[in-house]
Amino acid sequence: DIQLTQSPSFLSASVGDRVTITCRASQGISSYLAWYQQKPGKAPKFLIYAASTLQSGVPSRFSGSGSGTEFTLTISSLQPEDFATYYCQQLNSYPFTFGPGTKVDIK
Amino acid sequence: QVQLVQSGAEVKKPGASVKVSCKASGYTFTAYYMHWVRQAPGQGLEWMGRINPNNGVTNHAQKFQGRVTMTRDTSISTAYMELSGLRSDDTAVYYCARQEWSGYGCDFWGQGTLVTVSS
Repeated sequence: DIQLTQSPSFLSASVGDRVTITCRASQGISSYLAWYQQKPGKAPKFLIYAASTLQSGVPSRFSGSGSGTEFTLTISSLQPEDFATYYCQQLNSYPFTFGPGTKVDIK
Repeated sequence: QVQLVQSGAEVKKPGASVKVSCKASGYTFTAYYMHWVRQAPGQGLEWMGRINPNNGVTNHAQKFQGRVTMTRDTSISTAYMELSGLRSDDTAVYYCARQEWSGYGCDFWGQGTLVTVSS
């Protein structure tokens, strides 16, 4: 199975900060990576697919990059509604594993 | 509008089975894969498997081999996930989520179904 790691596991940031989350795959997954945002008690929200393509309706302050084994999710200017946990998911091969998550909290 | 509406919370005893339903509306049910993802309390997301509602073909994580069954009823646009041999560590919120094409992510999710396994 392909393992995904995320760093950091937790980050504390302020409104307006630029935030970057890294997702690393244990083997190459081309660009078959998605990112999700989840708030407590809610279902995940789909943000990015194919590593860098923004899902319709997602604010442009979110961006993704990478291919192969290393990927990043960047929030260019953190907004109050962005405080949440972020997960990456690989869709290259079964099982479609998720990363362990990165919690973004208010500083 | 697209909606995935899941069945209600369940409490089961160890060793029992649970069957969660996911009723789709607002799109062509057979044109999208349906995934099942679970989340134990305070934990991350865990992919369980997916079904192609068009032909019923399923793929699931090896971890659930022999215990999970994913089915669908196209006449009522509903997907089902049945998990047998329940253990306390199966206590989780179970989500269904649709996927348009392989490589794409899951763009719409159900509201989640809490399954509690307790003696």
